[in-house]
Amino acid sequence: KAGVTQTPRYLIKTRGQQVTLSCSPISGHRSVSWYQQTPGQGLQFLFEYFSETQRNKGNFPGRFSGRQFSNSRSEMNVSTLELGDSALYLCASSLLVRSYNEQFFGPGTRLTVL
Amino acid sequence: DQQVKQNSPSLSVQEGRISILNCDYTNSMFDYFLWYKKYPAEGPTFLISISSIKDKNEDGRFTVFLNKSAKHLSLHIVPSQPGDSAVYFCAASATGSQGNLIFGKGTKLSVKP
Repeated sequence: KAGVTQTPRYLIKTRGQQVTLSCSPISGHRSVSWYQQTPGQGLQFLFEYFSETQRNKGNFPGRFSGRQFSNSRSEMNVSTLELGDSALYLCASSLLVRSYNEQFFGPGTRLTVL
Repeated sequence: DQQVKQNSPSLSVQEGRISILNCDYTNSMFDYFLWYKKYPAEGPTFLISISSIKDKNEDGRFTVFLNKSAKHLSLHIVPSQPGDSAVYFCAASATGSQGNLIFGKGTKLSVKP
């Protein structure tokens, strides 16, 4: 089974621009979560989608948004980029056939904001 | 306020010996705990998990112990191998918070040949 894939792997943007990142979950997984990893804050939860609905959201500003499509693929968007948005953005998918959360991560998208 | 804490940023162990990585949590609603391993430039890889109804779970060289009263869990790797060198993250989840894993800041394990 193919793992979680994320595109692009690397991105360089300038302040004020917007960016869209893409995630394809493991086949059959319907839950997709997004995380931001920075050296100072570690891995922080952004949001989670299940069956095209956002079910949980972390403590990030409204500039961070996402969506999920009917095939479970997900995108996240960051508008009006700030220098502090430079981070590794990780997507994880899960079966969620029970309430437990064994999530499987993609390789991440490294975003650099100049 | 950190709900999941890994107080040791790094750990160095000799090959063949036991590695013990520790994790503490503060939220009593957490009922599922996971350990992930991460290499540079890769996403975290799931290692092992434990439900709060258990106090031990074993998978090959990896064993996770959970002490609910102390709000403490640990990952034991026996025997340690050089390929185990990576950053290890502890994560916790609460029923009803689907898809939301709370991570510690990680412990960098170095296994020396």
